[in-house]
Amino acid sequence: QVQLHESGPGLVKPSETLSLTCTVSGASINSDYWGWVRQTAGEGLEWIGRFVPSGSAVYNPSLKTRVAMSRDTSKNQFSLKLNSVTASDTALYFCVRDLNIWGRGTMVTVSS
Amino acid sequence: EMVMTQSPGTLSVSPGERVTLSCRASQGFSTNLAWFQQKPGQPPSLLVYDASARASGVPARFSGSGSGTDFTLTISSLQSEDFAVYYCQQYNNWPYTFGQGTKLEIK
Repeated sequence: QVQLHESGPGLVKPSETLSLTCTVSGASINSDYWGWVRQTAGEGLEWIGRFVPSGSAVYNPSLKTRVAMSRDTSKNQFSLKLNSVTASDTALYFCVRDLNIWGRGTMVTVSS
Repeated sequence: EMVMTQSPGTLSVSPGERVTLSCRASQGFSTNLAWFQQKPGQPPSLLVYDASARASGVPARFSGSGSGTDFTLTISSLQSEDFAVYYCQQYNNWPYTFGQGTKLEIK
């Protein structure tokens, strides 16, 4: 079955860059829609960005100036970078396939 | 950005009861709406897509309806495993947006 697994540092300092990777098994990231969603206690669930099958990415306008997503089809992975982080970026980050497959999430805390 | 508003925020119900959860969109659209269930320590799980289509493996007691700005998720007879938080999400306009959630708690 399709599985997604998020990995990356759990602690990031303010003003630095948050970097996460999603490793996919059981499906190819060359097809379908893949993306990142985060969850905070205050703001709830928020889409960060998603890839369309062509490989291009669309970003949430609220984060667009700070976010970049990339993918490595040879490793069947895709990644998220969010720069200039603040405490408000502290969240549980999920990688997702379309609507129906979610990773378990990885908690990222922004703190010095 | 389309705002999704769910009501109520919390619902206290007893097992066996029928419940209806509401989701209202700030702009009208057709049926590009999904419902998710989330339990503590787990990611959201897709229940319904296209407003009324049950996802694979979802019990028949879950049903979705609506179009335009008003959508509902109905659970016909609550089971113990249904006590969780429920979210609606529109995928008609980017950025896709979620409601703030409705928590079902045991009465």
